[in-house]
Amino acid sequence: EPEVTQTPSHQVTQMGQEVILRCVPISNHLYFYWYRQILGQKVEFLVSFYNNEISEKSEIFDDQFSVERPDGSNFTLKIRSTKLEDSAMYFCASSPQLTEQFFGPGTRLTVL
Amino acid sequence: AQSVSQHNHHVILSEAASLELGCNYSYGGTVNLFWYVQYPGQHLQLLLKYFSGDPLVKGIKGFEAEFIKSKFSFNLRKPSVQWSDTAEYFCAVRGSGTYKYIFGTGTRLKVLA
Repeated sequence: EPEVTQTPSHQVTQMGQEVILRCVPISNHLYFYWYRQILGQKVEFLVSFYNNEISEKSEIFDDQFSVERPDGSNFTLKIRSTKLEDSAMYFCASSPQLTEQFFGPGTRLTVL
Repeated sequence: AQSVSQHNHHVILSEAASLELGCNYSYGGTVNLFWYVQYPGQHLQLLLKYFSGDPLVKGIKGFEAEFIKSKFSFNLRKPSVQWSDTAEYFCAVRGSGTYKYIFGTGTRLKVLA
């Protein structure tokens, strides 16, 4: 059964550094999403992406964040200058239509 | 504000006990409703979903949920849990016309063998 994959599984970075989190959505899916979960808190929506543009974003998704689908398979989340409070588990998801979303295993980001 | 509440944060049951996990939402329009499960070390997996029609929906592994519109609720049930149901369960809502899920805080279920 096809799955969403994410790399790396764990990323450690210094405050102020740029990070890129990578996701490979399920191949025939059209909608892509990023969520994050800070330890002990709810899973929060960051952004959705459809037809090569952002379709919806949350207040969290400020100018420090960007998303890209550089080729036909990858979907990336970039954080330009990481802060301590960006430490979280980041989940990628995809869906074929506006139906149920399929989630990846997550990338744990630790900002020191 | 849109929100999802899961009232039980930790539940401990013995095998064969019945399970009901509560989920209430606050949203002023049509919603799609979901329950996801996360087994230890694994990713979120869809248990069941409600879009329209019969408010009693059946999912995988013997789980079911009932949408009660008047109560803004979508409670998850299983008549007899197994040790392998030990996991974290998340309720999620998507409002019509939006792309995002709003998640509840999750409920950690531990089933004792």
